[in-house]
Amino acid sequence: GAVVSQHPSRVICKSGTSVKIECRSLDFQATTMFWYRQFPKQSLMLMATSNEGSKATYEQGVEKDKFLINHASLTLSTLTVTSAHPEDSSFYICSARRGGGMNEQFFGPGTRLTVL
Amino acid sequence: GESVGLHLPTLSVQEGDNSIINCAYSNSASDYFIWYKQESGKGPQFIIDIRSNMDKRQGQRVTVLLNKTVKHLSLQIAATQPGDSAVYFCAENMRGGSNYKLTFGKGTLLTVNP
Repeated sequence: GAVVSQHPSRVICKSGTSVKIECRSLDFQATTMFWYRQFPKQSLMLMATSNEGSKATYEQGVEKDKFLINHASLTLSTLTVTSAHPEDSSFYICSARRGGGMNEQFFGPGTRLTVL
Repeated sequence: GESVGLHLPTLSVQEGDNSIINCAYSNSASDYFIWYKQESGKGPQFIIDIRSNMDKRQGQRVTVLLNKTVKHLSLQIAATQPGDSAVYFCAENMRGGSNYKLTFGKGTLLTVNP
């Protein structure tokens, strides 16, 4: 149990286009989903926290108009990178947390974004 | 000159040896700690967790030790195998209200030599 999927696993796009990444909790309902970004040989950096049905909370330095997050249901959150540029190329990882006071986050397999 | 953040600490061990990976955490108010394993190109995989009211927890081949006095966490892997080769991250949960955010450490690259 507690499987999180991401789609697509890999995407290459041209500079200036927008890319949508989906994160799904497959066998549980996720009260909260988190979006992370990871550059090569670096740690995971939290971008934003999203609760179902409410606006996402962004970490300092993360542009909310550039990284649009929608958490429309308890099993799906989407991250849209708008007007992507080469510096947005990174590994984007989501995680999902069950409710009920449980701390544990279950991570997706990640999405490799390359912006040309 | 060196670039901050591009030098991942590394640990190289022989197959069958025990491995110890260390982590210093930042917030004395953190009350939940997790170790994750990340293989190349994949998401983090949960290994073991520990709450701040404990100082040791054991799993299958893994043990986590927590020293709150010096804000230090360690992961011990017994009889390390080639499949254990990966980057290992500690993460701390800084609780604030209903916030369950995790803050990840720098990570350590473990290489197991056959």
